[in-house]
Amino acid sequence: DIQMTQSPSTLSASVGDRVTITCRASQSISNWLAWYQQKPGKAPKLLIYKASSLQSGVPSRFSGSGSGTEFTLTISSLQPDDFATYYCQQYNSYWWTFGQGTKAEIK
Amino acid sequence: EVQLLESGGGLVQPGGSLRLSCAASGFTFSNYAMSWVRQAPGKGLEWVSGISGSGGTTYYADSVKGRFTISRDNSKNTLYLQMISLRAEDTAVYYCAKEGKITIFGLFDPWGQGTLVTVSS
Repeated sequence: DIQMTQSPSTLSASVGDRVTITCRASQSISNWLAWYQQKPGKAPKLLIYKASSLQSGVPSRFSGSGSGTEFTLTISSLQPDDFATYYCQQYNSYWWTFGQGTKAEIK
Repeated sequence: EVQLLESGGGLVQPGGSLRLSCAASGFTFSNYAMSWVRQAPGKGLEWVSGISGSGGTTYYADSVKGRFTISRDNSKNTLYLQMISLRAEDTAVYYCAKEGKITIFGLFDPWGQGTLVTVSS
């Protein structure tokens, strides 16, 4: 199976900061990568698919990039509602695997 | 609006069985593959199983293969996960999730609210 590794595991940031989360795949997954946001006690929510496509209804401050084995999720100006845990996930090949998560905390 | 509502979770002893259900509404259920994804307490996400829109194709993670069975009843708009030989490590919130097309694809949107399965004596 394909291993997904996110960094950092935790990030501390302030409202208005630009933040970047990195996700690395153990082998090439082309651009078959998704990003999800999860808040405590809630289900994950799809933010980005196919590495850089913004899901409908997701604010434009979220963006994704990358291909092959290295990917990034960027939040251009962190808002109070964005403090959550973020997961990357590959859907290049069965079975689908997630990164371990990155928790965005208030600085 | 797409809605997914899981049920059937609870406390079960090691070696026991449980059947989870996911009632779907707001879309043509048979036109979309569905999956189950779980999250152990305080841990990350783990894909468990997926099924095509027709029900003819199923996939399982190695960790549950041979113990879990995914199925669907398109006449009732309901997805199921039959779990047997449960282990402590199966303790998790189980989410059902809609896929983007009729074949199993691995892109999940949206997700249900989850149902908690606790395996303990």
